[in-house]
Amino acid sequence: GAVVSQHPSWVICKSGTSVKIECRSLDFQATTMFWYRQFPKQSLMLMATSNEGSKATYEQGVEKDKFLINHASLTLSTLTVTSAHPEDSSFYICSASPGASTEAFFGQGTRLTVV
Amino acid sequence: QKEVEQNSGPLSVPEGAIASLNCTYSDRGSQSFFWYRQYSGKSPELIMSIYSNGDKEDGRFTAQLNKASQYVSLLIRDSQPSDSATYLCAVISGNQFYFGTGTSLTVIP
Repeated sequence: GAVVSQHPSWVICKSGTSVKIECRSLDFQATTMFWYRQFPKQSLMLMATSNEGSKATYEQGVEKDKFLINHASLTLSTLTVTSAHPEDSSFYICSASPGASTEAFFGQGTRLTVV
Repeated sequence: QKEVEQNSGPLSVPEGAIASLNCTYSDRGSQSFFWYRQYSGKSPELIMSIYSNGDKEDGRFTAQLNKASQYVSLLIRDSQPSDSATYLCAVISGNQFYFGTGTSLTVIP
C-alpha cells in the first residue's frame, strides 16, 4: 500500500511552547490530508481536513488558532500545536488518500506529551 | 444519527474461532468501504477494502457488503491472539471519510 510518513513519532514539550508535526505522502500526491486526535482508549476524532493550497476545514470545537494546519505541497501537511497545554497531550495521527474514493493510509502517529 | 455505527464491544473469542465484526452506515449512496485494524498505541492499518455487494476474501479475512441493508462486516477465521486489536469500519460518503468508533476484539489463547 501507499506510504504516509509522520514525524516526530513522539515529542515532549513544556507548557506554553509550540510543536510542529509533519505528515508526508511518500509515493503519491494527496490534495487532501486529514488530522486526527485520539485519547487513550477512545476512538479517532477528526480535527481538520487539510487542503493543498487552501485553508483547512476544522471540525466543530477544534480551535483553528491553536491547531495551525499548513498544506504547502501535494505531499506535505503540517500541524502546529501552539501554546501547548497538558490537556493537549494526545496521540495525533494524519492520513491521506491517493484519490477521492480510495482508501486512506495513516501515518505512524505522534504521541505528544505536554509537561 | 452517526454516519457509521459499530458495536464497541469488547468482543472475546477463543483462539481458532471465527470473529464476526459488524458495521452499519447511514448514507445509502456510499460506494467505498474499508476495515482497519488498530493495535493499542499504534495508528490504524488497512486490512480490507470492498466496493461491491457480496464477499471478498483475503487470507483469513472476509469482508461482506450488503448495500440494500447498509451493512458491512468482517469475518476473521482461525482467530489468533495477535488479532487482538480494535477494528475500525470506514465508509466514504460524499468524498468524506467516516470512521466508526471501533470494536475491541480479544482472542483468548
